[in-house]
Amino acid sequence: AQRVTQPEKLLSVFKGAPVELKCNYSYSGSPELFWYVQYSRQRLQLLLRHISRESIKGFTADLNKGETSFHLKKPFAQEEDSAMYYCAPFNTNAGKSTFGDGTTLTVKP
Amino acid sequence: DAGVIQSPRHEVTEMGQEVTLRCKPISGHNSLFWYRQTMMRGLELLIYFNNNVPIDDSGMPEDRFSAKMPNASFSTLKIQPSEPRDSAVYFCASSKTGRETQYFGPGTRLLVL
Repeated sequence: AQRVTQPEKLLSVFKGAPVELKCNYSYSGSPELFWYVQYSRQRLQLLLRHISRESIKGFTADLNKGETSFHLKKPFAQEEDSAMYYCAPFNTNAGKSTFGDGTTLTVKP
Repeated sequence: DAGVIQSPRHEVTEMGQEVTLRCKPISGHNSLFWYRQTMMRGLELLIYFNNNVPIDDSGMPEDRFSAKMPNASFSTLKIQPSEPRDSAVYFCASSKTGRETQYFGPGTRLLVL
């Protein structure tokens, strides 16, 4: 069965430190890959999408097909980055996206 | 476009009552999703529609839950009868196609007493 793993439920870093939120997926092929972010008591919104190759709010994500990973990175975390982050690959075979359990990032001053 | 619209934003009800959540997707979007979010279980996909047709309802918890999409601009999620364990934030999302970016509504915060 398709599986999306975000191994860290909670992640805490200091302002200015690098941050990496991990995401591994289990299905083969080339899924569409998304990261969504949810700020406190707000709706989920797209952070970035692999196909667009954009850097949003300083975040980037690189697809590693060998490791089937799509980790989210930012070189210098800011306090406003504190939020819940969801990895959501789209599984072509299943015809739907599967959201990971999410990682709550806290950036301390 | 106003984005995905959900109503009500908050709902407090008593156990056993019927609850109906409503969603208006973004115009032109062909896929619609209903999710439930809780602290314990995170974000769960309940059901999704493509061109108004339910494609996958495997996430619907039990027969007390039902969802409809009578036309391209409206969907409902109904819980009858409601139970305290149904308390959660329910999100609706829409996308142009199933593989495109999902746009989420503000959510309905449901509390069943």
